[in-house]
Amino acid sequence: VQLLESGGDLVQPGGSLRLSCAASGFTFSNFAMSWVRQAPGKGLEWVSFIDSGGNTYYADSLKGRFTISRDNYKNTLYLQLNSLRAEDTAVYYCVKGAGPNSIYDYWGQGTLLTVSS
Amino acid sequence: EIVLTQSPATLSLSPGERATLSCRASQSVSTYLAWYQQKPGQVPRLLMYDASNRATGIPPRFSGSGSGTDFTLTISSLEPEDFAVYYCQQRRDWPITFGQGTRLEIK
Repeated sequence: VQLLESGGDLVQPGGSLRLSCAASGFTFSNFAMSWVRQAPGKGLEWVSFIDSGGNTYYADSLKGRFTISRDNYKNTLYLQLNSLRAEDTAVYYCVKGAGPNSIYDYWGQGTLLTVSS
Repeated sequence: EIVLTQSPATLSLSPGERATLSCRASQSVSTYLAWYQQKPGQVPRLLMYDASNRATGIPPRFSGSGSGTDFTLTISSLEPEDFAVYYCQQRRDWPITFGQGTRLEIK
């Protein structure tokens, strides 16, 4: 299993960005996927979840600004981030569910988003 | 939102000692609780799922117990590589939540 995130960057407050996660080594379409973030020196914060059928869930504080999606043909997970704030600065991990659930058995190396002017 | 509170925040022990980490949920999560280990500069690793099931490749010195609101991760005899930060996570209800972590440090 490999999860390779990309798209992290330095973005100004109020800006937008799309993160991608290229998955390989498993049948991507069969598994739920999530994004989990970790601000510098802080703990883990769950961001969003998408199941194999495209049903989505979000952290309450992020609803309306972030959108998770997947392309099962490209084996790729996405996270669209809008109206970015300084507090969104974090490493964003792409995480695979152990089946249709949110037991996170594989983690990508993460991509760093910095929101700053 | 289900809040997970881990204690202690920091645990200082020596290799060979027994470690007991606690995770308390603000409401019942049944046994839908997982534990993760994160070493400095590394990504988190799944240790336990559904409260008491060891993930693939996790040594038997790690064990988990509990149900409802109170959970424990026990490391029976600490190895040098076990010193890390440990997080619990619930999947009983949306949104999924993590505890704030327990740092296990060498005494």
